[in-house]
Amino acid sequence: EPEVTQTPSHQVTQMGQEVILRCVPISNHLYFYWYRQILGQKVEFLVSFYNNEISEKSEIFDDQFSVERPDGSNFTLKIRSTKLEDSAMYFCASSAGQTYNEQFFGPGTRLTVL
Amino acid sequence: AQSVSQHNHHVILSEAASLELGCNYSYGGTVNLFWYVQYPGQHLQLLLKYFSGDPLVKGIKGFEAEFIKSKFSFNLRKPSVQWSDTAEYFCAVRTTSGTYKYIFGTGTRLKVLA
Repeated sequence: EPEVTQTPSHQVTQMGQEVILRCVPISNHLYFYWYRQILGQKVEFLVSFYNNEISEKSEIFDDQFSVERPDGSNFTLKIRSTKLEDSAMYFCASSAGQTYNEQFFGPGTRLTVL
Repeated sequence: AQSVSQHNHHVILSEAASLELGCNYSYGGTVNLFWYVQYPGQHLQLLLKYFSGDPLVKGIKGFEAEFIKSKFSFNLRKPSVQWSDTAEYFCAVRTTSGTYKYIFGTGTRLKVLA
């Protein structure tokens, strides 16, 4: 069964450093998403991406964040200058469509900012 | 703003006990509803979904959920839990009004005692 994969599973970084979280969505999916979950809190939507453009973003997704689909398979989330409060589990998701399609989630990347 | 509430944060049951996890949402329009499960160390997996039609939805592993529109609820049920159901359960809502992001509840940690 096809799955969304994410690398790395755990990333530790120093405050102020840039990180790139990588995701490989399911191959025939067209819609891509990033969510995050700060420890003990809800899973929160960050951004959705379709046709090489951001289609929606939350208030959390400020100028420090960017997304890219650099090739036909990867979908990346970049945090330019990490802050302590960026420490969270980051989930990538993809879906074949939007209206009648569920999102499939990856296993997550745990980001720890020191 | 739309929100999703899961009132039970931690539930402990013995094997063979019946399970009901509550999920309420606040949104007056049409919604799609989902329950996801996250087993320890694994990614979010879809248990069941509701888009339209029969409000009683059957999912995988013997789970079902009932959409009660008048109560803005989508409670998850299983008549007899097993030790292997130990996991975290997330209710998610997606509105159909031009946004396709999921809004998640806080999650319910279920522990089933053998």
